[in-house]
Amino acid sequence: QSALTQPPSASGSPGQSVTISCTGTYSDVGGYNFVSWYQQHPGKAPKLMIYEVSKRPSGVPDRFSGSKSGNTASLTVSGLQAEDEADYYCSSHAGRDNLFYVFGSGTKVTVL
Amino acid sequence: QVQLQESGPGLVKPAGTLSLTCDVSGGFMSSDLWWSWVRQSPEKGLEWIGEIFHSGTTNYNPSLKSRVSISADRSKNQFSLNLRSVTAADTAVYYCASYYDNSGYRIDYWGQGTLVTVSS
Repeated sequence: QSALTQPPSASGSPGQSVTISCTGTYSDVGGYNFVSWYQQHPGKAPKLMIYEVSKRPSGVPDRFSGSKSGNTASLTVSGLQAEDEADYYCSSHAGRDNLFYVFGSGTKVTVL
Repeated sequence: QVQLQESGPGLVKPAGTLSLTCDVSGGFMSSDLWWSWVRQSPEKGLEWIGEIFHSGTTNYNPSLKSRVSISADRSKNQFSLNLRSVTAADTAVYYCASYYDNSGYRIDYWGQGTLVTVSS
């Protein structure tokens, strides 16, 4: 099973906002500001949406935002659009035993 | 812009060795990129396998370290994954990936992925 815990699903109507949580421990999410979020459409590779908790790569809409409190990180998608329907995965650096990357279990976002 | 493409057998027998290659275009000569493998299965989700730097330095997931090796061939613009003694639990989509050194542990580039099934 995945190292980081995410809710299996989330949904919202077009234009609404949806927030996804990602819970880890003090040795990963809580210990580093190295949380990333990836969007994955069916049959496609993951795409980086957020890095270092709240930074957006070039080309990612500002509807996507990230935050962190303690051992839990969050991704918020505002102004939901049909193309936002996808799986979303969080990732964090984990400083234990040379395990550099740990991932979340994934959240399926449905646009109603 | 770095582009990655995985290749290799889609079927491997139990106890055999899974071998994949990633062809790189657009960035292999860069000295500040790590080259990595990540896999994805319904049972385990996304799992980081390991990485290699241009210097040859490698790092592996502790849970796989005893069975895995990653190497690079700069003359061919390729890097490779070998996973030994495979079982059905190693069935997954395998992605090659790349990211910049000191970039906050984010994965910038992904291949399209290749499904590898372990079965007799």
